[in-house]
Amino acid sequence: GAGVSQTPSNKVTEKGKYVELRCDPISGHTALYWYRQSLGQGPEFLIYFQGTGAADDSGLPNDRFFAVRPEGSVSTLKIQRTERGDSAVYLCASSGSGQFYGYTFGSGTRLTVV
Amino acid sequence: GQQVMQIPQYQHVQEGEDFTTYCNSSTTLSNIQWYKQRPGGHPVFLIQLVKSGEVKKQKRLTFQFGEAKKNSSLHITATQTTDVGTYFCAGRSFGNEKLTFGTGTRLTIIP
Repeated sequence: GAGVSQTPSNKVTEKGKYVELRCDPISGHTALYWYRQSLGQGPEFLIYFQGTGAADDSGLPNDRFFAVRPEGSVSTLKIQRTERGDSAVYLCASSGSGQFYGYTFGSGTRLTVV
Repeated sequence: GQQVMQIPQYQHVQEGEDFTTYCNSSTTLSNIQWYKQRPGGHPVFLIQLVKSGEVKKQKRLTFQFGEAKKNSSLHITATQTTDVGTYFCAGRSFGNEKLTFGTGTRLTIIP
């Protein structure tokens, strides 16, 4: 597509529930990144995919967070047993492969855990 | 782990005044990028700096990368209301494709 698409744009869920956040990157971009941004903070790295594999998942805060990219395009971030502290904007970005590309971000999913 | 700090955290300027934000990394960087995030929006890529001491200009914006490749700055000349937003630097370490974002500088303009 023309840009990075994230769905849903907003998600309100109850504490303890499971949520899935979807990211559809720019066609042809092999690198895909998930970041989390809390109010007034910079984006915080969660996980990076190169193709289908997670090349770096060092930013996932704990084992409740998991992400997949089974066909090397769309990615899903999955959060189990949500907690109020998980509330944030979850940003997805894609780029060309290599160290010298800028990211194109999606509009994000605002997750609120009540 | 790598940390990227920016100062100031906030900057309020009169329209037409200049603005500068400074970025410092705890480690030497392979390259550094700058992003702008408008209120309620998502970060948008502005520019990338790769070489030690590099200076790049985009109209009223001037970006610099330090000689040691650990710091950078963004200077805006004669600010306009369209410059409002938060400016983030983001650095890459050698051999690492992920970006570590700075803490950001939020710019507000007084018309």
